Amino acid sequence: QKEVEQNSGPLSVPEGAIASLNCTYSDRGSQSFFWYRQYSGKSPELIMFIYSNGDKEDGRFTAQLNKASQYVSLLIRDSQPSDSATYLCAVNNDMRFGAGTRLTVKP
Amino acid sequence: DAGVTQSPTHLIKTRGQQVTLRCSPKSGHDTVSWYQQALGQGPQFIFQYYEEEERQRGNFPDRFSGHQFPNYSSELNVNALLLGDSALYLCASSLQVFNTGELFFGDGSRLTVL
Repeated sequence: QKEVEQNSGPLSVPEGAIASLNCTYSDRGSQSFFWYRQYSGKSPELIMFIYSNGDKEDGRFTAQLNKASQYVSLLIRDSQPSDSATYLCAVNNDMRFGAGTRLTVKP
Repeated sequence: DAGVTQSPTHLIKTRGQQVTLRCSPKSGHDTVSWYQQALGQGPQFIFQYYEEEERQRGNFPDRFSGHQFPNYSSELNVNALLLGDSALYLCASSLQVFNTGELFFGDGSRLTVL
């Protein structure tokens, strides 16, 4: 069974801090990785995708991938209350999602 | 540019009944995937349609079936409803069948089975 694991949280950080969200996956053959954000009562929306080992930065967001360790993470710098949401990690092909990590950014 | 649209938004059924959910993909997209999201859980992949055929399927029983039409819209059918089928059903469209591209989600259809 191919699994995607995330800490369900909740993760609480103060405004302006760095939020670190983690995801591990079991299928070593996975090639592409996605982070989606889901606000309460809304549908998921893509934040970032990453295909290669290393870091990928987009504004306040950085995705990190380590295929050897089967680990992908999302860093949110200068966290804002508007970042409060559930963050979903998804892995390629059949786009298997983790259960999501609920992030709360406190003013 | 219309995004992904789903109907109905909410519906209530009783055990044993059948339900059909509908989805129109984002303009220009040719692939539709369906997901089930239970409360507090991540979306669970049901199946994906491309060129009117089911291309990939998740771990769901045969009670779950689907269809894609020539205009790329899609239906999800669930037969013999169980209480455990109560969930938010999300439709997502994309341009690439093997999901190496971004998924665009609709707002979902919330199904309650009594």
